[in-house]
Amino acid sequence: QVQLQESGPGLVKPSETLSLTCSVSGDSVSSSSYYWNWIRQPPGKGLEWIGNIHYTGSTNYNPSLKSRVTISLDTSKNQFSLRLTSVTAADTAVYYCARGILRWGQGTLVTVSS
Amino acid sequence: EIVLTQSPGTLSLSPGERATLSCRASQSVSSSYLAWYQQKPGQAPRPLIYGASSRATGIPDRFSGSGSGTDFTLTISRLEPEDFAVYYCQQYGSSLYTFGQGTKLEIK
Repeated sequence: QVQLQESGPGLVKPSETLSLTCSVSGDSVSSSSYYWNWIRQPPGKGLEWIGNIHYTGSTNYNPSLKSRVTISLDTSKNQFSLRLTSVTAADTAVYYCARGILRWGQGTLVTVSS
Repeated sequence: EIVLTQSPGTLSLSPGERATLSCRASQSVSSSYLAWYQQKPGQAPRPLIYGASSRATGIPDRFSGSGSGTDFTLTISRLEPEDFAVYYCQQYGSSLYTFGQGTKLEIK
């Protein structure tokens, strides 16, 4: 059964870059036909789709974040990653990774603060 | 970008009652690629419905989804105490996925 696990720093300073990794077991990011997604949820607010990547390397990004976001694959580690540059307090959220729409990780809280 | 609007914002019902949640899209959702999620405090969203009407694995049959085009509905036929939570719809029919703002289902 596929499992996803987010990892990365829980605290990032303003103006710096947020970097998260999603480790995948039970499926291959390099061959699966699914899109690999990142979603976030600020404290007390709703869900926001950040973007996704296909094993072909094709990416799609939320227009509101597109200038700051990069999603990439690391096939050697069976992982995919999120980079979000120039973060502010508004980027404080629980970040989730997901395979398609039916398999989600548990999420990781990232706080942006000095 | 497809905007999803959920209504009502909050729904107050009692256990045993029927719940009807609405999700309206600003433009037609391709191939009925519409999903519903349940989220409880401190937990990740739990997928309930995909393809507008297919239940995800392990989801009780009291949950059902319907609709097409721009209007979709999640129905919970008979509310159990564990069903009180926040519900989100999501469209994945375009290359840019979007979520609705959520409906909070609370105990009356």
